[in-house]
Amino acid sequence: AQSVTQLGSHVSVSEGALVLLRCNYSSSVPPYLFWYVQYPNQGLQLLLKYTSAATLVKGINGFEAEFKKSETSFHLTKPSAHMSDAAEYFCAVSTQGGSEKLVFGKGTKLTVNP
Amino acid sequence: GAVVSQHPSWVICKSGTSVKIECRSLDFQATTMFWYRQFPKQSLMLMATSNEGSKATYEQGVEKDKFLINHASLTLSTLTVTSAHPEDSSFYICSARKIGTGDYNEQFFGPGTRLTVL
Repeated sequence: AQSVTQLGSHVSVSEGALVLLRCNYSSSVPPYLFWYVQYPNQGLQLLLKYTSAATLVKGINGFEAEFKKSETSFHLTKPSAHMSDAAEYFCAVSTQGGSEKLVFGKGTKLTVNP
Repeated sequence: GAVVSQHPSWVICKSGTSVKIECRSLDFQATTMFWYRQFPKQSLMLMATSNEGSKATYEQGVEKDKFLINHASLTLSTLTVTSAHPEDSSFYICSARKIGTGDYNEQFFGPGTRLTVL
């Protein structure tokens, strides 16, 4: 069975500061990993994904994440937070070549202070 | 692009009535769609996998007779909440899987449907 743990249900940063959202996964097979963003009362938008290519993945809006197999981690970072980054962020895991069902973490709400 | 729509975006109904939610892939065909449920301030929980032309596959603990799923075409899946009760109030999100050329077929998410049962 696969699972995702997101450390910190709430993260607060100042505008211009580094954003770091933590995600650890558990999977018995090589995983696919994703970060999604959700704005209030909206669906999910894919920020970036890891599908066994480069371990450092760059996504939209200046976000990136690094897959570290030894640490079973896939943390999301952005060098400089913008007010528009305030949202809920979900890490998700899926399996390669399987049903491709996504298992989501509980989410991290990012607040950006002016 | 890959756009998925849901209709309605929000619905309020009386307890005991049934509500149908539509999920459409607007610019691609999707043999597989997924239905998720999201409680306030919580994560998405997969309810079922909808396969075009066949029966849906439900996750453990999801009542098949209460949440009826029909995937009659390559661009449309519907979720019907039958005999809705207040505890069914939630945010329902669908996704459609687009077959790509890589080693992973990405899911594209709809904007969600807010269901409130009075």
